[in-house]
Amino acid sequence: GENVEQHPSTLSVQEGDSAVIKCTYSDSASNYFPWYKQELGKRPQLIIDIRSNVGEKKDQRIAVTLNKTAKHFSLHITETQPEDSAVYFCAASPNYQLIWGAGTKLIIKP
Amino acid sequence: EAEVAQSPRYKITEKSQAVAFWCDPISGHATLYWYRQILGQGPELLVQFQDESVVDDSQLPKDRFSAERLKGVDSTLKIQPAELGDSAMYLCASSSLLGSGNTIYFGEGSWLTVV
Repeated sequence: GENVEQHPSTLSVQEGDSAVIKCTYSDSASNYFPWYKQELGKRPQLIIDIRSNVGEKKDQRIAVTLNKTAKHFSLHITETQPEDSAVYFCAASPNYQLIWGAGTKLIIKP
Repeated sequence: EAEVAQSPRYKITEKSQAVAFWCDPISGHATLYWYRQILGQGPELLVQFQDESVVDDSQLPKDRFSAERLKGVDSTLKIQPAELGDSAMYLCASSSLLGSGNTIYFGEGSWLTVV
């Protein structure tokens, strides 16, 4: 079955700098890749997603890239702000299932 | 904006007691999920429904957990008897269709503490 690995587990960046979180997947049938942000004590919320027919998608300071050949996708956050501090989860969907990564704790240093 | 409704938000129960959580998905969403999230970990799928049918319950501890969605709308997740290790946030989620590419929307979660 599908397996999703996410790195790093913790990422600390200076406010204003960029942050990149990477995920790899194993099942070439996966065709949908969402990213969720979860603030402490709150529910996961979708921040951006990408489908396998697209290589890159951008929404203001957030972008996601997908490399189907290498089976990896990444989340890019530019001009990081304190409110970006949270745990970020990637996921991959080969069928009706959504397989989650283990999460990355993003810390924004003032 | 439509939301997934869950109750109760917080529940403290004693070990060996029964506890139940309720979820009302976004109107029209055929697919409903129950996840368990232990502090510091990612969400773990317990059960997935398509309408009233179970699509996946492979990770549901069936000796103590049960879930139903009798009319294909709202759903109940029950734990009996509760154990200390069940302390977690129980998240309900829904999506409009079964299958890849459909956005999953989460409710605010139900925090369970077993003492």
